[in-house]
This record gives sequence, C-alpha cells and structure tokens, in this order.
Amino acid sequence: DQQVKQNSPSLSVQEGRISILNCDYTNSMFDYFLWYKKYPAEGPTFLISISSIKDKNEDGRFTVFLNKSAKHLSLHIVPSQPGDSAVYFCAATTDSWGKLQFGAGTQVVVTP
Amino acid sequence: DAGVIQSPRHEVTEMGQEVTLRCKPISGHNSLFWYRQTMMRGLELLIYFNNNVPIDDSGMPEDRFSAKMPNASFSTLKIQPSEPRDSAVYFCASRQEGTSETQYFGPGTRLLVL
Repeated sequence: DQQVKQNSPSLSVQEGRISILNCDYTNSMFDYFLWYKKYPAEGPTFLISISSIKDKNEDGRFTVFLNKSAKHLSLHIVPSQPGDSAVYFCAATTDSWGKLQFGAGTQVVVTP
Repeated sequence: DAGVIQSPRHEVTEMGQEVTLRCKPISGHNSLFWYRQTMMRGLELLIYFNNNVPIDDSGMPEDRFSAKMPNASFSTLKIQPSEPRDSAVYFCASRQEGTSETQYFGPGTRLLVL
C-alpha cells in the first residue's frame, strides 16, 4: 500500500526556471514531511522538511508547501541550477511512528 | 563530523553465499534504519532499531534476512543464503530520536547476487 505517491517519475526544466515537484499522501496521521535529494551512487541527502502545523517552509532556493486538506505537498526550486539534477524523494512520518514512508521519487533534469 | 559509514560499497557474490553488510551510524544517534532500493519497489524500510533494540522488522522480506545491532556504533544486515532477487542497493540511515525526524543516510552498498 503506497501511502506516499510521487506521480511524476521525471521532470525536465530549463536552468533559471522554477522546478515544481509534487507529492500526495493518503495517511491523515502523517504530521511531518521531508524532501530528500539523491545523486547517483550516493545515499539520499536531507533537503528540507515541514511540520503539519505549518503550510510553508523556505530554505534558500527551496520552498516546501503543505496543503493538509488536499493531502498534498510540493517542493519549489527557484531558480533551478544544473547541480539540482538528481532524484527527489518525498517522505512522511508520524510523531510516534519513528519510520519514514518514501515516495517513488522524481528524476529532475535541469538543462542549460 | 563523519556521516553514516557503510561497508562494503560494492559486493558481488554467488547465489547461496552469505552476505554481511555493515553500518556505523552517526555518533550520538540512537535510531538506525536499514533500507533497500530497487527499481520495482523503490526505497523500502527493512528494519529499524532504537537504542540498539529492533523496533519494527515488518519490512524484512523473509527469514533469509537478519539484522543485529550489538552496540550503539555498529549494525549488520545479513542475507543467508543470498538469491539473485536480493540484488539491490542497501542503505543504512540514522537519526537522533527525540530531537529530529530527519534521517541521515549512508552511501549505500550495491549488492549483486549472480
């Protein structure tokens, strides 16, 4: 049962433009959400997170938006840079759960 | 500060052989997680430990898989006997429970069972 879904397996964007990655979840108990970035042959690295008490969190070029009623979150990267080319995973958890549920990932390619 | 350390980085073995993957979590972290990544199933949690105690092993695929955490700085994931369908990248991650939900991942072990 896939509780976290990233329906776009890939995204191509021009350098300097905005990248928008989407993630949907089904478990209303999730109260903390994270985005990880993964380069080939490396482990996922933490990018940004958001608690369910917020609807937006910003860190430099990265902003995560949370819409609890729609069970949807998105990651915006502005402006996109070639170094942002990677696979991005959305993950979710509950405060008492301890473990993360990951989406399938979205491959982002930033072209010059 | 060293991150999560995994060894070996690559492992090629023959079907039926025993495989042991190793992980050293970040110092001070008290939760450790083993994940497997495959094309078909993505990133799936196999087992996690809290304070060296296994908390949830519902993701362990079958009895051929076992994991131990004898102390706070070391964990192993063993597959015996290994099968070709076990070929995947295995990640270890750790976090400081109680202060953050963020897990920090190691570089992974790429396992190929022939």
